[in-house]
Parts: sequence; C-alpha cells; structure tokens
Amino acid sequence: QKEVEQNSGPLSVPEGAIASLNCTYSDRGSQSFFWYRQYSGKSPELIMFIYSNGDKEDGRFTAQLNKASQYVSLLIRDSQPSDSATYLCAVTDTGFQKLVFGTGTRLLVSP
Amino acid sequence: GAGVSQSPSNKVTEKGKDVELRCDPISGHTALYWYRQSLGQGLEFLIYFQGNSAPDKSGLPSDRFSAERTGGSVSTLTIQRTQQEDSAVYLCASSLALVTGTDTQYFGPGTRLTVL
Repeated sequence: QKEVEQNSGPLSVPEGAIASLNCTYSDRGSQSFFWYRQYSGKSPELIMFIYSNGDKEDGRFTAQLNKASQYVSLLIRDSQPSDSATYLCAVTDTGFQKLVFGTGTRLLVSP
Repeated sequence: GAGVSQSPSNKVTEKGKDVELRCDPISGHTALYWYRQSLGQGLEFLIYFQGNSAPDKSGLPSDRFSAERTGGSVSTLTIQRTQQEDSAVYLCASSLALVTGTDTQYFGPGTRLTVL
C-alpha cells in the first residue's frame, strides 16, 4: 500500500514569514511529486511539480525533493494571508497514472 | 472549454437511489480520473480512463460504482443504491497523458453528493 504522509497542522506563520510544508512517501518507485493548494470548499489547484532531486523555484514557491530520504517539501516565502489553505502532497509512479495524496497540511497565515 | 467541468455541483439524494455524476475534461486531454474526498479526508482514487478504456479501476469501492467514458471526452460516474457512506465530494481530473516528462492533472470543481 503506497502511502503519503503529511502533518495535518495547522501550521501557523505570521505574514511575511517562510512557511515550510513537509511530506514523506513510502514507495521508492515514485517518480513525480506534486503540490496542490485547496481552499475550503474548493477543488485542488496545482501549485508545482518536481521530479528531480534538488530544488525547483517558481515565484514565492520552492519545491525540494530528496529521493534517498523519500522526502518532498514546499517552501512558501513572504507568506500572505491569501496563502491560508490546505496544501496537498501527491505522488505518482510513472507517466499518466493515479495520484496518491496525503491528507494535507492546513496553513494559517496571520496578518 | 477552459477547464474541467462537472455537473451537478450539488446532489442530494435518498438512500437507495441511483445517481449519475458527469465530467467534461479539458479539450485535448486524453486521460481522465475520478477521485473522492470525504469530509476531513484526503483524496481517494476511484478510476482512471485513457481514451474510452479504463486501465485502472482499482479504487472503485464496490460493485455499486461504475463509470464510463464516451468519445474520449465526457465521463459519467454512476452510483447505484446509494448509501450514506457514499456522501462525499466527487472530483474529476484530466491530463494530457504525457509519456515523457511530467503529466499533470487538473481538477474540476467537484460534485458534492449528500445521501440522506
């Protein structure tokens, strides 16, 4: 059974701080890793994906992947109250296959 | 269309009734996925289509659940003899089905199903 683990939170950070969201996965065969943001009552929205070890930056977001440790993280710099949401980590094997999701980390950014 | 669309957005039904949920993927996306999200839970995979065929039905929880896709486009998820535990948000996603690179899935707004 493939598993993706996330701390449910809430993770509380002040506005302007860096938020660090973590995720571990059990299947060493996992190839692609995704971060989705989900606002309450809304559907998941893709933020970033990563498939190579190291860092990948996109604006205020940085995804980090360490396949040896089976660990993927998302850093949000200069956090804004509008970043308050649940962040879902998802992994997949290869190509176009089902995503296995963690239960998400709730982020609260206070003004 | 610009994104994945789903209908209805909300469905309230009585226990024992059948329901049909519809998904219209992004134009040109050949892969289509159904997931379910129960209150306070993560997303649970149900079934995946490539074109009109379903290579992976492993997530369907029981034989009361079925899905089809026609014309490589619209998909319908049918739940027969609904039970209260079927209450959840049913999410559809689609992707280009890339065989190289990273294939990304884009989600529709979901159908909130309530079984009374």
